[in-house]
Formats: sequence, structure tokens, C-alpha cells
Amino acid sequence: KQEVTQIPAALSVPEGENLVLNCSFTDSAIYNLQWFRQDPGKGLTSLLLIQSSQREQTSGRLNASLDKSSGRSTLYIAASQPGDSATYLCAVLLNYGQNFVFGPGTRLSVLP
Amino acid sequence: DAGVIQSPRHEVTEMGQEVTLRCKPISGHDYLFWYRQTMMRGLELLIYFNNNVPIDDSGMPEDRFSAKMPNASFSTLKIQPSEPRDSAVYFCASSGTGQETQYFGPGTRLLVL
Repeated sequence: KQEVTQIPAALSVPEGENLVLNCSFTDSAIYNLQWFRQDPGKGLTSLLLIQSSQREQTSGRLNASLDKSSGRSTLYIAASQPGDSATYLCAVLLNYGQNFVFGPGTRLSVLP
Repeated sequence: DAGVIQSPRHEVTEMGQEVTLRCKPISGHDYLFWYRQTMMRGLELLIYFNNNVPIDDSGMPEDRFSAKMPNASFSTLKIQPSEPRDSAVYFCASSGTGQETQYFGPGTRLLVL
């Protein structure tokens, strides 16, 4: 059974810092991996999707990497801003299904 | 497109009552997913549909939960009878092919007293 974990569970940084969020998964037979953002009381918004054949994806100040063999992905946020404060979840899509398995999320606070 | 639409946004009910949650997916999307989110268990997939047909309902907690998708633009998740442990945020999401990104609705916050 696929299990997804995220470290740290919570993170608080001053504005302007670069930071890294970590995601680990136990079964490397994945089709793709996504990073989502969830604001309090809201639904999830997709940030980046990495196909299993890719190593990384970039969108603005966000960069996500994937090392499928080691079961790890990282989300790098450059020059963090208070508006980045949210919970970030990673999710993996298995090769043998159409449903994502989600991690528990990392709650990020960027202090002005 | 208005995105995924869910109703109601908030629901407070008493134990034993029937609860019906509604979802309208993004037009043209073939896949619809129902999730439940709690502090203790995180985000859990309950059931998903492909072209209105239920494909995997292994996440449905028990027989009190049922889901239907009578047409491509509407789905319901029903809990009967409801219990306090069903209190959670229920999300609906849709995607084009099932292997693309999923688009989430705003969720229904359910409180069962």
C-alpha cells in the first residue's frame, strides 16, 4: 500500500527566505506526482505536476523535483512571501489507478 | 468555467439525520472524485467515477455512505444515518483523464451534533 509522508509538519520562516518542503512515498511505481496548495477553509489548488519520466518542474518562484527511485520529491520556494502561507500537500498517482494518494501536508507560515 | 461547484458550503445536522452533499464537476471532465478531510486522517479518497460509472468505492467507510452520478454534470454523496464521527470537510474534484491534475471544489464543512 502506498504511503506518503511529508516533513516538516509545520514550518515558520521570515519573509524573503528560500525554503524546501519534503515529500516521501513508499512505492516508486508512480505515474506522476503533484504539489497542491490549500488555504484555510478552501479547496486544493494544483501548483506543479511532475510526470514520472521528469526530474523537475518550475513555475515562477516554485520548483519541484522528483527522484522516483528513492521515493522523494521536494518543493523549493524562492524568496518566500507572506502570501505563500498555506498548507502544501503532495500527492502521488499510482501506475495502476486513477486516484491520488495524498500526504498529510506541511503548514507553512511566512512572517512579514 | 466556474470550476467545481459544491453545495451546501456548510451543513449542521443532528445525529441520525440524512445528509446529502452535491457536486457539479467542470464541464467536459470525465472523472469525479469524492474526498473527506479530517485533522486526524488527512485527505482520504472515498469514491471516484469515470463517465458517471463508479470505479473504486473502497474508501467509502461503511454502508451508511452512498454516492451517485446520474449524469455528467451532477453527483451526490449521501450519509444516512449521520453520526458525529462523520464530521469533516468533504471535497469533490474532477479531472479530464484521471491522470491529469484534479480541480477541487471549495468543500462542504459538515458538523454532526
